[in-house]
Amino acid sequence: GEDVEQSLFLSVREGDSSVINCTYTDSSSTYLYWYKQEPGAGLQLLTYIFSNMDMKQDQRLTVLLNKKDKHLSLRIADTQTGDSAIYFCAESIPSGYNKLIFGAGTRLAVHP
Amino acid sequence: EAGVAQSPRYKIIEKRQSVAFWCNPISGHATLYWYQQILGQGPKLLIQFQNNGVVDDSQLPKDRFSAERLKGVDSTLKIQPAKLEDSAVYLCASSSGLAGDSEQYFGPGTRLTVT
Repeated sequence: GEDVEQSLFLSVREGDSSVINCTYTDSSSTYLYWYKQEPGAGLQLLTYIFSNMDMKQDQRLTVLLNKKDKHLSLRIADTQTGDSAIYFCAESIPSGYNKLIFGAGTRLAVHP
Repeated sequence: EAGVAQSPRYKIIEKRQSVAFWCNPISGHATLYWYQQILGQGPKLLIQFQNNGVVDDSQLPKDRFSAERLKGVDSTLKIQPAKLEDSAVYLCASSSGLAGDSEQYFGPGTRLTVT
């Protein structure tokens, strides 16, 4: 079945790195995504990785994909208070038309 | 470029009443999605349109939910009659295509409270 799991909460100190983890079940997933949701706002795509890649870096963001273990992580370097939000992992189901399956989200709290 | 517009932003109704939500996608985006996000959960796809045709409505409770996209642009999602468990944020998204690297752009959502 299709399922995406994430830890619910992460607290980090400003300036430290944050690592948000995600596991998924569908080994045929073609794309995996990280979305950010701030209070009262819709979801914003942060980055995505194609399933044949191991790593993708985009400025402060690093995505690591372990396809064997079906594990995805998002590392945010030099975390700032503006990074406080809920982060959703999602997988694209190839049998669907760009259908996304989301995890429950990880709430990131950044404190001084 | 204007983003995805949704209205209303908030709606409170009593159970068994009807409600409708409206979405205006980004200009030129052929694909439109409606998601339901219950508090504490990730968004769940309800229905997906390609132009004015439905490509996936497998998780839409069709006994009470309906959606249309008559001219392939704006879309409405209706609930009739509403139940308490329909309380959620309803998110509309659009993308330029169906490929996995076609980014889905999300609107701010409509928060529905059913009492």
